[in-house]
Amino acid sequence: EIVLTQSPGTLSLSPGERATLSCRASQSVTGSYLAWYQQKPGQAPRLLIYGASSRATGIPDRFSGSGSGTDFTLTISRLEPEDFVVYYCQQYGSSPWTFGQGTKVEIK
Amino acid sequence: QIQLQQSGPGLVKPSETLSLTCAISGDRVSTNSAAWNWIRQSPSRGLEWLGRTYYRSFWYNDYAVSVKGRITINPDTSKNQFSLQLNSVTPEDTAVYYCARAPFITMVRGGWFDPWGQGTLVIVSS
Repeated sequence: EIVLTQSPGTLSLSPGERATLSCRASQSVTGSYLAWYQQKPGQAPRLLIYGASSRATGIPDRFSGSGSGTDFTLTISRLEPEDFVVYYCQQYGSSPWTFGQGTKVEIK
Repeated sequence: QIQLQQSGPGLVKPSETLSLTCAISGDRVSTNSAAWNWIRQSPSRGLEWLGRTYYRSFWYNDYAVSVKGRITINPDTSKNQFSLQLNSVTPEDTAVYYCARAPFITMVRGGWFDPWGQGTLVIVSS
């Protein structure tokens, strides 16, 4: 199975700063079939990005995704107060579909 | 707007069967364009995909190896819902369980999960 490793585990930034989150796969992700989710405490994950770079409906354009093969990035251009939560990547190119362990974005 | 509403007990005894249901609104469980999934989340295992059911002239299921042999996902077209049964549970199965829709890509590809159900915390304890 494809193992996804997210880094860093925790990212300490201030509102208005740029956040860069990494997701590295143990083998190439077919077709760039990679998604990003945001999870707030006590809630289900919320889809942000699919196909590595396509924003889901209703997602602000400060969220962007990039990458291919084994290296993928989620960028938040200017952090808003509600963005300080946990983010997960997920690959759906090879069964079983797997998730990264998450990156927590915290207020510095 | 597609919505998923989960129901089921939050406490299950060891060795018994965990049963959850996910009711669908805004879509059909028998649609050709989606697969219906169960995912769980625990501190020790993180987010873990468990399995899916989908309809392509016939009903198909795919299950994760980690739970294969213990898991059954069934569609119910009369109630437009799908269910999860996990047999012989242990405390290791304690987790928040989610149902989720994924767009159907191919039989060997998954999809992104959207939307998700609200989640059900299931504790396995005597």
